[in-house]
Amino acid sequence: RKEVEQDPGPFNVPEGATVAFNCTYSNSASQSFFWYRQDCRKEPKLLMSVYSSGNEDGRFTAQLNRASQYISLLIRDSKLSDSATYLCVVNSFSGTYKYIFGTGTRLKVLA
Amino acid sequence: NAGVTQTPKFQVLKTGQSMTLQCAQDMNHNSMYWYRQDPGMGLRLIYYSASEGTTDKGEVPNGYNVSRLNKREFSLRLESAAPSQTSVYFCASTSSYNEQFFGPGTRLTVL
Repeated sequence: RKEVEQDPGPFNVPEGATVAFNCTYSNSASQSFFWYRQDCRKEPKLLMSVYSSGNEDGRFTAQLNRASQYISLLIRDSKLSDSATYLCVVNSFSGTYKYIFGTGTRLKVLA
Repeated sequence: NAGVTQTPKFQVLKTGQSMTLQCAQDMNHNSMYWYRQDPGMGLRLIYYSASEGTTDKGEVPNGYNVSRLNKREFSLRLESAAPSQTSVYFCASTSSYNEQFFGPGTRLTVL
């Protein structure tokens, strides 16, 4: 089983739609959780950190469920510019911080 | 602030040639990382440096060496390039909130 698993997609949604991505992780000792966005042939860029109580940044909402070991990302009112690959990243500490990246979920927002 | 910079952006090598990928950050971060990204796979850690003067192996260190020259700079060296090292290489540095910031990447092809 992969340490971090994501549905690869692609998710094709119309502009204005709400879309949700899930990510599961296997290490129960994981401490920090992030969503990154990666555009084609570009570097990953931090979208948001995910906090235990859940957090929101504009149209984006992230949730963490430690009991079930998954995190989610909800995008409301999708824009064409949201088209990208979304990476789930989990961090744990074992002498030093170790980051495990999911393979990403592709989103395409259609006009 | 430039954030994380990497050079070169593109490189083509012949099997057996050597090269060094350069990375620098101006955010005063202690930890720096080198990853490779291949199609269908998440980012995989090659080497990391928790602080100036220390380096440690990651998941896929074979065929690579690193140098943490000072707090700003962390270089990755391929001593004898192989076709299996064809990949996109990303350098990252980590904030005190454990958020990773990535450079623009180096696209390397080994023939």
